[in-house]
Amino acid sequence: GAGVSQSPSNKVTEKGKDVELRCDPISGHTALYWYRQSLGQGLEFLIYFQGNSAPDKSGLPSDRFSAERTGGSVSTLTIQRTQQEDSAVYLCASSRRQGRLGTDTQYFGPGTRLTVL
Amino acid sequence: AQTVTQSQPEMSVQEAETVTLSCTYDTSESDYYLFWYKQPPSRQMILVIRQEAYKQQNATENRFSVNFQKAAKSFSLKISDSQLGDAAMYFCAYKTGYALNFGKGTSLLVTP
Repeated sequence: GAGVSQSPSNKVTEKGKDVELRCDPISGHTALYWYRQSLGQGLEFLIYFQGNSAPDKSGLPSDRFSAERTGGSVSTLTIQRTQQEDSAVYLCASSRRQGRLGTDTQYFGPGTRLTVL
Repeated sequence: AQTVTQSQPEMSVQEAETVTLSCTYDTSESDYYLFWYKQPPSRQMILVIRQEAYKQQNATENRFSVNFQKAAKSFSLKISDSQLGDAAMYFCAYKTGYALNFGKGTSLLVTP
């Protein structure tokens, strides 16, 4: 079946503007993750959704970042009042299920490269 | 906090040769999972191999195998018969909860 898809592939925005990044997980996957990949920080976990449970937002770097997942499928990561340090590749991943020691592999999308001017 | 260290920022290997990428991690947990992901220029992270900590046997996937030393907290990746398509960034990752904790990555160059 189709893999994880993300849009847009690239996004250039001006400092202070809001942006929305979209992730469409693999059909049937109940767990969804957002990661950020930047030159200085490497790959960082941002947020995790599992089914209809409350998301784990422990990785979000500031209150300018938020995410939602509608209908247990598509997710949107929103960054308000973007700053230059938000420039990075934002990766989304999904897996079939997840527990504390969930064994299911996370499958990644191609990412969105965000550039804040 | 768990940390993952990849001490080799760059590695180079000739086609058909074997290369080993190093990874060490720090954890106080006894149950966890370890992964190697490959990221080509297309940016998509692709799972190469995974290892469950409770398994003593080293995982293998075709030309890819790991040397898992639990006591030493070491998890190296061996690529045999290297191919040009193996050129990519390789990330070692550790997971005990929901999220993957990644190392900084090793850039692998494959020369003809």
